[in-house]
Amino acid sequence: ETGVTQTPRHLVMGMTNKKSLKCEQHLGHNAMYWYKQSAKKPLELMFVYNFKEQTENNSVPSRFSPECPNSSHLFLHLHTLQPEDSALYLCASSQVDRVSNYGYTFGSGTRLTVV
Amino acid sequence: AQSVSQHNHHVILSEAASLELGCNYSYGGTVNLFWYVQYPGQHLQLLLKYFSGDPLVKGIKGFEAEFIKSKFSFNLRKPSVQWSDTAEYFCAVNTGTASKLTFGTGTRLQVTL
Repeated sequence: ETGVTQTPRHLVMGMTNKKSLKCEQHLGHNAMYWYKQSAKKPLELMFVYNFKEQTENNSVPSRFSPECPNSSHLFLHLHTLQPEDSALYLCASSQVDRVSNYGYTFGSGTRLTVV
Repeated sequence: AQSVSQHNHHVILSEAASLELGCNYSYGGTVNLFWYVQYPGQHLQLLLKYFSGDPLVKGIKGFEAEFIKSKFSFNLRKPSVQWSDTAEYFCAVNTGTASKLTFGTGTRLQVTL
């Protein structure tokens, strides 16, 4: 266990479905992130939350909707996805201050397949 | 915007060979630097990090990296690789905007017996 727990580990959904990915961190960190990892592509930052506030949306389509109810939980709500959205979705947390990010702790990811 | 380059996309080595993976970044200010490893089917985990002080950083599993400010580089090294080092390695940089890391595209290392 990394201290960052993602559920579910695997998800298969149709293009008309609505589902949510969950991330929980037990490390007391103050920042959380969603990344997309696709084969043969670099890690893509999707969203950044600092102290529950969204500080970055990296031009992510509106069919992905993040939610951060508190500093320990992060959700990614999915609706009307496309097959090209199939990927490994990674959650990470970190401790940040004004000048430094002390490094990410990643979850194990959710392997999403859109059919 | 800052960027991170990992020029080696796929490296194949025999066991006991020495390893050096390149990482270069583009940012002129203060940086925090990281190497992460992703073993097959596993999560990304931290190998080592540099914040300040001694530019030669030692990490887990015998890995080390050297920060060379003049070359904007943070290359990862290991004197003698093992088959179990087969994995993908990612360099990451935290620059300016403290809240996120910028990752390189990754280097896939394959160690043969």
